[in-house]
Amino acid sequence: NAGVTQTPKFQVLKTGQSMTLQCAQDMNHEYMSWYRQDPGMGLRLIHYSVGAGITDQGEVPNGYNVSRSTTEDFPLRLLSAAPSQTSVYFCASRRGLAGSTDTQYFGPGTRLTVL
Amino acid sequence: AQSVTQLGSHVSVSEGALVLLRCNYSSSVPPYLFWYVQYPNQGLQLLLKYTSAATLVKGINGFEAEFKKSETSFHLTKPSAHMSDAAEYFCAVSYTGANSKLTFGKGITLSVRP
Repeated sequence: NAGVTQTPKFQVLKTGQSMTLQCAQDMNHEYMSWYRQDPGMGLRLIHYSVGAGITDQGEVPNGYNVSRSTTEDFPLRLLSAAPSQTSVYFCASRRGLAGSTDTQYFGPGTRLTVL
Repeated sequence: AQSVTQLGSHVSVSEGALVLLRCNYSSSVPPYLFWYVQYPNQGLQLLLKYTSAATLVKGINGFEAEFKKSETSFHLTKPSAHMSDAAEYFCAVSYTGANSKLTFGKGITLSVRP
């Protein structure tokens, strides 16, 4: 199993540009989520999904869109990038749904810089 | 609302010394508690988790944590630090509710001096 994969590893955008961060998992997990990591802030939940076709907002959803057309893929879209979105983005997945004690597996991260 | 507090942002210990990383939680219902580790330029990896079975939880790499309800704490310890333990450590909490999500603390960076 490859686990959770993310592409690209690094990305530099100009303000106003759009892009999609890719995330895929091969563990047949129902629950997938996106976090952003900023210094001194820990990880903050952006969006999550409890299955194909079902997504919901997390703590910091503004400026981001998600969709879940398959169990495996959970892309994160930045519609119009802003410098405040400069961060490291992590995708994660786990087998169980809300309230689960199942281990959450993280991808290697995408380091995004918005100029 | 659920939350975790990790006091301080940086802990430095000598190799072979005790590692103690503190985590206090706030939850109105019985929590599930987790410790994750992040090595430089990598994703997060689960160290251990408390799921209401045993209060003393043993994890990977010699780490353990004890759930203390009276103190609302879940501190992470390791008897003897190794250079390879240098990383960032995150405490996280969720609970059994239908809309529960995993909420992370701000993280603590552990440095190990030779």
